[in-house]
Amino acid sequence: EPEVTQTPSHQVTQMGQEVILRCVPISNHLYFYWYRQILGQKVEFLVSFYNNEISEKSEIFDDQFSVERPDGSNFTLKIRSTKLEDSAMYFCASTSGEVEQFFGPGTRLTVL
Amino acid sequence: KNQVEQSPQSLIILEGKNCTLQCNYTVSPFSNLRWYKQDTGRGPVSLTIMTFSENTKSNGRYTATLDADTKQSSLHITASQLSDSASYICVVRKALNFGKGTSLLVTP
Repeated sequence: EPEVTQTPSHQVTQMGQEVILRCVPISNHLYFYWYRQILGQKVEFLVSFYNNEISEKSEIFDDQFSVERPDGSNFTLKIRSTKLEDSAMYFCASTSGEVEQFFGPGTRLTVL
Repeated sequence: KNQVEQSPQSLIILEGKNCTLQCNYTVSPFSNLRWYKQDTGRGPVSLTIMTFSENTKSNGRYTATLDADTKQSSLHITASQLSDSASYICVVRKALNFGKGTSLLVTP
């Protein structure tokens, strides 16, 4: 069964460093999403991406964040200068355009 | 202000028992309402998706209801199993408003 994959599973970084979180969506999907979940809190929407551009983004997704689909398979989230409060689980999701989204297993980002 | 409120915050039930989780929302405009199951440390997995015109939808032992007039939804779990222990999250579209979830623990 096809699934969304994410790498790395855990990323530790120093405050101020740049990180890139990677996702491989399900191959025939067209819509891609990033979410984050701070420990013990609810899942928060960050950004949606369709047709090689951002279709929707939340207030959390400020200038420190960017997304890219560098090739036909990867979908990346870059945080330019990490802050302590960026520590969270980051989930990628994809959908074919049907309503159901498929989530990846997440990347745990720890900013020291 | 969170526009999706879930209750209870946590719940402990005995294996084999039924339970019902609640979701109230004030999100507008409304597109659809989804229930997800999230195991600890994992990504959410979709259980049901309901549009405005749907009142009830089942997925195995999970049955979701939606009252668009009162803006309430429920998720009923029948004959609970140990593997049902997880966080159950209600998500309301548009703008992907997530509830904080109900943490369910099923004990033997």
